[in-house]
Amino acid sequence: EVQLVESGGGLVQPGGSLRLSCAASGFTFSVYTMNWVRRAPGKGLEWVSYISSSSTIYYADSVKGRFTISRDNAKNSLYLQMNSLGDEDTAVYYCARGRPTDYWGQGTLVTVSS
Amino acid sequence: QTVVTQEPSFSVSPGGTVTLTCGLSSGSVSTSYFPSWYQQTPGQAPRTLIYSTNTRSSGVPDRFSGSILGNKAALTITGAQADDESDYYCVLYMGSGILFGGGTKLTVL
Repeated sequence: EVQLVESGGGLVQPGGSLRLSCAASGFTFSVYTMNWVRRAPGKGLEWVSYISSSSTIYYADSVKGRFTISRDNAKNSLYLQMNSLGDEDTAVYYCARGRPTDYWGQGTLVTVSS
Repeated sequence: QTVVTQEPSFSVSPGGTVTLTCGLSSGSVSTSYFPSWYQQTPGQAPRTLIYSTNTRSSGVPDRFSGSILGNKAALTITGAQADDESDYYCVLYMGSGILFGGGTKLTVL
């Protein structure tokens, strides 16, 4: 069974940093493109970033230069390093498999507030 | 900047059929964008319904179907049920990025 479990969310002050993790199981992690997608309160889903199986990386303009996606195939894990966080980054962050995406994690909440 | 357009809201009667659409602010949606549809109810993770235009995700009932209608992608729900009341998002895979539509809030009443 495919499982994606996010962790690392929490409360952070504006300008702060946070690192999200996504633990994958039930499939061959290394061959899949992986994504981060978020949903801010009262808004729709927004793609954040993806990393291909060969580590090609893309970011949404809204996070470019502040967020860094990475993966560790040996640990079946996906990461999102988030720096210079602002109020607009408050959201539930989802890890999602594939391009196009087929499986999603349950999400981890990031709240940016002083 | 290219925007993916969806109806903000739609209503359907129980047992009825509804077609939600997904367009581009400039140009046409084609299969080369692998249009996909996701369902999200409040407090839940998104669920993949359709990917690559018309492929149903595992476990999705066949009353959900995807297609290209004219210059848009479309999601058709046949025999709508109460628990279909949800937000539906169209996604287009465009080269270096992924574009989400703003979502359609579907009411079943």
